[in-house]
Amino acid sequence: AQSVAQPEDQVNVAEGNPLTVKCTYSVSGNPYLFWYVQYPNRGLQFLLKYITGDNLVKGSYGFEAEFNKSQTSFHLKKPSALVSDSALYFCAVRESGAGSYQLTFGKGTKLSVIP
Amino acid sequence: DGGITQSPKYLFRKEGQNVTLSCEQNLNHDAMYWYRQDPGQGLRLIYYSQIVNDFQKGDIAEGYSVSREKKESFPLTVTSAQKNPTAFYLCASSHRGRGSGANVLTFGAGSRLTVL
Repeated sequence: AQSVAQPEDQVNVAEGNPLTVKCTYSVSGNPYLFWYVQYPNRGLQFLLKYITGDNLVKGSYGFEAEFNKSQTSFHLKKPSALVSDSALYFCAVRESGAGSYQLTFGKGTKLSVIP
Repeated sequence: DGGITQSPKYLFRKEGQNVTLSCEQNLNHDAMYWYRQDPGQGLRLIYYSQIVNDFQKGDIAEGYSVSREKKESFPLTVTSAQKNPTAFYLCASSHRGRGSGANVLTFGAGSRLTVL
């Protein structure tokens, strides 16, 4: 079975400061990992994904995420937060091999960037 | 512009009534999905379809039904058997297959259903 945990319901950060949104996962084999963002009353938008290769993945809007196999983590980061980054962020995982290839989503982390 | 259109945006229904949520896409995607979003629970998969005239149950299919008669359309019916239908419903689409590209989902703006 695959699962993903986002340990923080909410993260507050001052504008201009670096931000981190945490995600840990569990799969039987190798993972495919994803981050999506949801603005209020909207659908989700794809930010970035990790499949294989370089552990640091760059995505949209200046976001990046670091894959750490030993810690089974895939934390989302941005060097300098903007007020417009305030949104709900979802981490998602699936196993890369056989079996279900549907995503399992975390419960989401609400990011608030304070001016 | 290519995208996914969900309608209605807001829907109010009395208990015991069936309701149908519309989802249309012009992205030429083969695969379509319905998710349910509840506060603090993330997204849960209701149904998905990889190809016309074929669909599979997701994790929480009970009380829901779907059809896939056209590539562009994947309507969801919330039946009276669904015990807790008040939620935000999201439709998504993607390319078909087992590669990671199939998990890059394009979402609609959602439909908020409230059962009175």
